[in-house]
Amino acid sequence: DTEVTQTPKHLVMGMTNKKSLKCEQHMGHRAMYWYKQKAKKPPELMFVYSYEKLSINESVPSRFSPECPNSSLLNLHLHALQPEDSALYLCASTPSGGATDTQYFGPGTRLTVL
Amino acid sequence: RKEVEQDPGPFNVPEGATVAFNCTYSNSASQSFFWYRQDCRKEPKLLMSVYSSGNEDGRFTAQLNRASQYISLLIRDSKLSDSATYLCVVDHFGNEKLTFGTGTRLTIIP
Repeated sequence: DTEVTQTPKHLVMGMTNKKSLKCEQHMGHRAMYWYKQKAKKPPELMFVYSYEKLSINESVPSRFSPECPNSSLLNLHLHALQPEDSALYLCASTPSGGATDTQYFGPGTRLTVL
Repeated sequence: RKEVEQDPGPFNVPEGATVAFNCTYSNSASQSFFWYRQDCRKEPKLLMSVYSSGNEDGRFTAQLNRASQYISLLIRDSKLSDSATYLCVVDHFGNEKLTFGTGTRLTIIP
């Protein structure tokens, strides 16, 4: 199994809703990432978990809350989002989080905030 | 100066032609370099890592010039399926964070 899965594929939510994005990998990778990608822009790093501990938070607003329940799962909890948060949210994993590791991306969740 | 800079294109190239992209990076301490490919409305996928000695994979050749702080990607005998956005990716001070360039959009024309 060499893939990263993400659910849901699409999500539409209001600004007062609470929702969660899920990411899963069964490659034994120990580092997992959340990226945000706006149209025609590159992915922007949000969070990195390394060995189930948050190692990087790129000054992301608190309305985004990551969680890593175990080494295979990564969640992103969303609350009180703004329309400008609408984007493609990509999850990725790497074997160890090393700089030379290949990043394996999931297909993304396309989020629309109304 | 941006950490990683690419010409956004678009590059419109006839099928069978050779096309080259460059990417410059600002941090001389960077150690790892990659080219990723992203198709429209899809996730990025690794095309190739870029090694100091340069490397080739079929029709694709990647080069690294540390002195001038740029990497390049050459695509020979381009195919319609090569149409995509090519992202230059550089590590950040050798840690787990990667910095993505803005991407170069390539369209191969029949």
